[in-house]
Amino acid sequence: KQEVTQIPAALSVPEGENLVLNCSFTDSAIYNLQWFRQDPGKGLTSLLLIQSSQREQTSGRLNASLDKSSGRSTLYIAASQPGDSATYLCAASSWDNRLAFGKGNQVVVIP
Amino acid sequence: GAVVSQHPSWVICKSGTSVKIECRSLDFQATTMFWYRQFPKQSLMLMATSNEGSKATYEQGVEKDKFLINHASLTLSTLTVTSAHPEDSSFYICSARGASRNYNEQFFGPGTRLTVL
Repeated sequence: KQEVTQIPAALSVPEGENLVLNCSFTDSAIYNLQWFRQDPGKGLTSLLLIQSSQREQTSGRLNASLDKSSGRSTLYIAASQPGDSATYLCAASSWDNRLAFGKGNQVVVIP
Repeated sequence: GAVVSQHPSWVICKSGTSVKIECRSLDFQATTMFWYRQFPKQSLMLMATSNEGSKATYEQGVEKDKFLINHASLTLSTLTVTSAHPEDSSFYICSARGASRNYNEQFFGPGTRLTVL
């Protein structure tokens, strides 16, 4: 069974600093890995999807890397803003399309 | 594109009653829909996978007679929580697949907050 762990569980950073969020997974046989954003009481917004054959994906200030062999992915958010405050979820997809989620990184960006 | 809606967004019901939650793909045909449950401070847990026109596949530990899933069309799936009890209070989120060239990409609804008194 795929286990996904996200560290740290929570962090606060001053506005302008870069954010580094870590995700690890136990089974390297993944189809893809996704990063989502979740605001309190809301659904999920997809941020980046990395296919198993890819090493990274970028969108604006966001960059996600994937190292399948070590079972790790990292989400980088450059020049953080207060609007980046949210919970970030990492999910590993198996080849039968089932997503295993971590508990999330709860981020607070302090103005 | 790839918008998924859920209705209702929140519901409060008495213990013992049944509650139906709808999940719709608004601008694409969803060949597969997924239902998740999220307890406070916890990760999303997959409950079941449903393909249009066939029976849902439930994850281990999820009671199929308690959580009835119907996926009768390519744009609508419903989850009915039968004889709800306070321990069923949770945030239920659906997702749908079928819109993207990334075959395995799921698009998520906004969630439904269920509170059972």
